[in-house]
Amino acid sequence: GDSVTQMEGPVTLSEEAFLTINCTYTATGYPSLFWYVQYPGEGLQLLLKATKADDKGSNKGFEATYRKETTSFHLEKGSVQVSDSAVYFCALSGFNDYKLSFGAGTTVTVRA
Amino acid sequence: GAVVSQHPSWVICKSGTSVKIECRSLDFQATTMFWYRQFPKQSLMLMATSNEGSKATYEQGVEKDKFLINHASLTLSTLTVTSAHPEDSSFYICSARVPTERGYTFGSGTRLTVV
Repeated sequence: GDSVTQMEGPVTLSEEAFLTINCTYTATGYPSLFWYVQYPGEGLQLLLKATKADDKGSNKGFEATYRKETTSFHLEKGSVQVSDSAVYFCALSGFNDYKLSFGAGTTVTVRA
Repeated sequence: GAVVSQHPSWVICKSGTSVKIECRSLDFQATTMFWYRQFPKQSLMLMATSNEGSKATYEQGVEKDKFLINHASLTLSTLTVTSAHPEDSSFYICSARVPTERGYTFGSGTRLTVV
């Protein structure tokens, strides 16, 4: 079945550092790919998405490119802030299936 | 964008009682909603998929009689935890598929504590 493998955390960075969280997937057909962010005690917020190969999703300085050849959707941000501290989830929805498959989540802590 | 409102945000109940959690789509019609459970520092576990007007589809290992899901209208899905026990304490999150955005929107979650 469809699955997502996400870089394990936790990740601790200093402000203005570069952030990368790796995400690879296994799926049949052409899935849609998502990054969600969860702040403490809250639900999930969509950070960005990509629905076809070579699409680049971007939001709030975060970017991720849908790479079909490497089945990856790595999240990057060039200069993190303390407010970026959260848990980040990579997710996939199958082409013929509305269910979302989530990665394990990566906890990111940014120190001032 | 599409918004889902989930209530209550937290609830404490006694063992043996039932608790109902509501999930409403505020500005769109949600034909498909999902219920997740999240343990501390873990990912989301899909419990069931609910489709408006039909029975929910439960994931393997989820007790249908304990976690009752009702999706009677296009804007409301409810999860009732029946005869709750301390091991049911968890963070429950609902989600709705948003066809016009080819994505999903999530409720803010409900922290259930059973004492």
